Amino acid sequence: DTAVSQTPKYLVTQMGNDKSIKCEQNLGHDTMYWYKQDSKKFLKIMFSYNNKELIINETVPNRFSPKSPDKAHLNLHINSLELGDSAVYFCASSRLASGGYNEQFFGPGTRLTVL
Amino acid sequence: AQKVTQAQTEISVVEKEDVTLDCVYETRDTTYYLFWYKQPPSGELVFLIRRNSFDEQNEISGRYSWNFQKSTSSFNFTITASQVVDSAVYFCALSRNNAGNMLTFGGGTRLMVKP
Repeated sequence: DTAVSQTPKYLVTQMGNDKSIKCEQNLGHDTMYWYKQDSKKFLKIMFSYNNKELIINETVPNRFSPKSPDKAHLNLHINSLELGDSAVYFCASSRLASGGYNEQFFGPGTRLTVL
Repeated sequence: AQKVTQAQTEISVVEKEDVTLDCVYETRDTTYYLFWYKQPPSGELVFLIRRNSFDEQNEISGRYSWNFQKSTSSFNFTITASQVVDSAVYFCALSRNNAGNMLTFGGGTRLMVKP
């Protein structure tokens, strides 16, 4: 069974469109994350979310919004897509302990290409 | 602010050679957590190890070993007798004791092991 899954694996779209990427975890974790990996492989946190708190990296444009229908899902919505949004987006999950102790488990990634 | 530096962008070795991947971090926190992740050519991110800031014991797991030195703010990773399957991008990451467990990643080191 896949621990953290993302759909779609590939997403090609036009500038200006709105799109969503879905993420599901079956690990029973209570915290989920979104990361962006650019073309140079640099990984950057976008959001950290549990049922009590959403933490947003200050560099993330407000066109990006996480939406969590329940503890097992954290979807990423992107409005008005721009060329610079092209990247691989990774979802991750972990148990929320006191502090950043627990390792995060990552999904397979979604490669977004904006034309 | 936190920062993780992996000065080696790419390393190329011949199979069976030993190789060390360097990681230097910056943080003002006294409690923090360090991680290594592997990203093989298939693209997924695989957790390798976690280390707490108050635990400076080195760790060995098969051909992998990690050397954590707070005095030099380093958390280096050594692969002994490298194999072609070790070819991947390796990321060092840092997590604070709060702030939603978000990981700050280094830029990654691409390791190429040639037969």
